Amino acid sequence: QQPVQSPQAVILREGEDAVINCSSSKALYSVHWYRQKHGEAPVFLMILLKGGEQKGHEKISASFNEKKQQSSLYLTASQLSYSGTYFCGTAPWRLIFGTGTRLQVFP
Amino acid sequence: EAQVTQNPRYLITVTGKKLTVTCSQNMNHEYMSWYRQDPGLGLRQIYYSMNVEVTDKGDVPEGYKVSRKEKRNFPLILESPSPNQTSLYFCASSLSGATNQPQHFGDGTRLSIL
Repeated sequence: QQPVQSPQAVILREGEDAVINCSSSKALYSVHWYRQKHGEAPVFLMILLKGGEQKGHEKISASFNEKKQQSSLYLTASQLSYSGTYFCGTAPWRLIFGTGTRLQVFP
Repeated sequence: EAQVTQNPRYLITVTGKKLTVTCSQNMNHEYMSWYRQDPGLGLRQIYYSMNVEVTDKGDVPEGYKVSRKEKRNFPLILESPSPNQTSLYFCASSLSGATNQPQHFGDGTRLSIL
């Protein structure tokens, strides 16, 4: 069963912050985050493993709460280059992707 | 350059005409996978392969076949394509099947079946 992502879409001005959530009904071993720009392939951002760790990638960070089976992606001081669709992938034993969150950043 | 290569990038064909989409990776990855992407449905896994000669169904395997005879290649076969298989397809690979490994995606194949 696919993890549920929320919100489905986000519109931001440059410099604003956003949070994208990913929730699974199954126990998780890891959570992946990818970004896909229009017409391109998804690109890996980060993996979070069990242990509630947080990771960062430039001004993008994420957290993973395995007890709640949830992960959140934090985008701070957004830039135009952050526009795209963000997918979480959850892994009880194989990677299953969510339906995506479309993020648009305007000047 | 490390990459996953899919061919063709675009294909328009007719119902029932067998087709194969090739996928090749040059990173010596054990794990390979096929996804289809449809608006509002995200990336759904069709088939995956943990290693040579080992393949298994994903979430939407109906109407598709795969084979993994060599480590680097993982072709997707549509024996009798139908219009509901019109979609954007991605091949991906990772170092191993362990879910702590990032997946590398090909550039995608856009299939239109009339």
